[in-house]
Amino acid sequence: DAGVTQSPTHLIKTRGQHVTLRCSPISGHKSVSWYQQVLGQGPQFIFQYYEKEERGRGNFPDRFSARQFPNYSSELNVNALLLGDSALYLCASSLSGYPGQGIEQYFGPGTRLTVT
Amino acid sequence: GNSVTQMEGPVTLSEEAFLTINCTYTATGYPSLFWYVQYPGEGLQLLLKATKADDKGSNKGFEATYRKETTSFHLEKGSVQVSDSAVYFCALRNEGGATNKLIFGTGTLLAVQP
Repeated sequence: DAGVTQSPTHLIKTRGQHVTLRCSPISGHKSVSWYQQVLGQGPQFIFQYYEKEERGRGNFPDRFSARQFPNYSSELNVNALLLGDSALYLCASSLSGYPGQGIEQYFGPGTRLTVT
Repeated sequence: GNSVTQMEGPVTLSEEAFLTINCTYTATGYPSLFWYVQYPGEGLQLLLKATKADDKGSNKGFEATYRKETTSFHLEKGSVQVSDSAVYFCALRNEGGATNKLIFGTGTLLAVQP
């Protein structure tokens, strides 16, 4: 079975532009979460979606938005890009949207965004 | 709030040496604890987990024990290999929360030399 897939792999944008990143979860998984990993740091939680509804949001500005589609794939949108948005954006999927003992999240390979 | 603190890296070891990467946490409620590994150019892979106090997670020769009294979840391996070179992240999830978000430490780079 395919794992979590993300596209594109790499992306270069200019300050002020808009970007859309895409994620396809593992088949049967209904929850998708997005994380930002700045170079040299651990991933930071941005959003979680479950059954097409937002379940949680991290400490990120309103320039960041996301949505989940009926097939459970997801998009992360970032408007008015800043240099500080340069990072690896990771998507993770899980069977359930609820925390529970041992529910695992499976990560995709990430999208490397560079803002110049 | 919830947080994870990992030992600073990089950790440089010779092949077959013993590995310890320290991880301590601060959490409300009853967190589950995880170790993830990130190989160069790749995403995160779950290495092991523990869901309650005194649980021991293990996988591929790596072990970590959930110590509530010391709020720690140190990663150990008896004999490292060159192929273990990667960045290791300790993480927690608050099982009483509304989301399944993970809170990560800053990561520890492990370099194993032949």
